[in-house]
Amino acid sequence: NAGVTQTPKFQVLKTGQSMTLQCAQDMNHNSMYWYRQDPGMGLRLIYYSASEGTTDKGEVPNGYNVSRLNKREFSLRLESAAPSQTSVYFCASSEGTGGPSYEQYFGPGTRLTVT
Amino acid sequence: SQQGEEDPQALSIQEGENATMNCSYKTSINNLQWYRQNSGRGLVHLILIRSNEREKHSGRLRVTLDTSKKSSSLLITASRAADTASYFCATDAGGGADGLTFGKGTHLIIQP
Repeated sequence: NAGVTQTPKFQVLKTGQSMTLQCAQDMNHNSMYWYRQDPGMGLRLIYYSASEGTTDKGEVPNGYNVSRLNKREFSLRLESAAPSQTSVYFCASSEGTGGPSYEQYFGPGTRLTVT
Repeated sequence: SQQGEEDPQALSIQEGENATMNCSYKTSINNLQWYRQNSGRGLVHLILIRSNEREKHSGRLRVTLDTSKKSSSLLITASRAADTASYFCATDAGGGADGLTFGKGTHLIIQP
């Protein structure tokens, strides 16, 4: 049982390049999330998917797009990377689809640098 | 915007002592969660307390919640070197699947 996996672990991009961060979970969870963490900060929600087939914006969605490919996979795309998107990106999943929230399970993170 | 704010930002104690960190938040919540993050790693869930609960225990962890003061505390008893990490509170104010709002964290260092 791998939990939540993310690829790649590290990535360096030039300004204007695009890339997709991959996330998969094997816990049959309904909800999946993308967060970013900047130095000395807590996590901020970028996008989330409460169930397969739905996605919604979080606190900081600008510059990102997401795809809930199936129940297991939730990808985050940067269409035109900017230095302000240098951050550590975490994917998470949780069991519930509504009502009070459940604990979230986090992946190991992707450290992205945009030069 | 950050919903939760942890206090202190950093805490250094001797092994065996108790560590207390606090979290304040701004709006009504459904529940509050605490997470631990070891350096360079993802977050690990520690404990969830619902808005109608006042105290919860899990092993050496004790969490309290005071909704009238919009605050929570995390107590780690008999600290160990392995407890060195950053600790974050996270709140859920909307629908359960809408994602969490995290504070900036308390960095805890346990001196051997």
